Amino acid sequence: DVKVTQSSRYLVKRTGEKVFLECVQDMDHENMFWYRQDPGLGLRLIYFSYDVKMKEKGDIPEGYSVSREKKERFSLILESASTNQTSMYLCASGGGAQETQYFGPGTRLLVL
Amino acid sequence: QKEVEQNSGPLSVPEGAIASLNCTYSDRGSQSFFWYRQYSGKSPELIMSIYSNGDKEDGRFTAQLNKASQYVSLLIRDSQPSDSATYLCAVNTKAAGNKLTFGGGTRVLVKP
Repeated sequence: DVKVTQSSRYLVKRTGEKVFLECVQDMDHENMFWYRQDPGLGLRLIYFSYDVKMKEKGDIPEGYSVSREKKERFSLILESASTNQTSMYLCASGGGAQETQYFGPGTRLLVL
Repeated sequence: QKEVEQNSGPLSVPEGAIASLNCTYSDRGSQSFFWYRQYSGKSPELIMSIYSNGDKEDGRFTAQLNKASQYVSLLIRDSQPSDSATYLCAVNTKAAGNKLTFGGGTRVLVKP
């Protein structure tokens, strides 16, 4: 079974804080993704990585950065958290010929 | 026009009936198609994938793909209250590489 884990289920941070969200997968997948999900806006891709140290911007990269130093680990960084980054953050790992993606449990982030 | 479109619902279905969900996509180069189930407050869970025209059955779920008409559907037979969730359609195109494009989701309510 594919397992994707995320470092926190719930997180509360203050405006201006640096926030790290970490994602780990155990399926040796090449591809990893960070999404955010907001009511009425659906799933939006922030960044993805197709290899160690490789990254590409998704649809809404502003205010975020990522790091992939090891194949199994993909981190999302909010350099200076703002209230409009309050959201559900979902990590996914993908692979195989059909690029199937599997999601972690999500991190609900509240920025005050 | 959105790349992947779903009726947002809610689709209200009596317990034991068949729930029929539709998804249309705009890119004729789309190759892989996925259905995810998402319970409120949880992350998406992969329930079906389909790559070839026709039907694919897995338990009470049947996915149907018609590439000529550019739609993919999901049937849930003998619907149960536990099937109440939002169902996301996702599509992979060769042009998108490793990425999936998600529809907005259809909310299904199964009433006892």
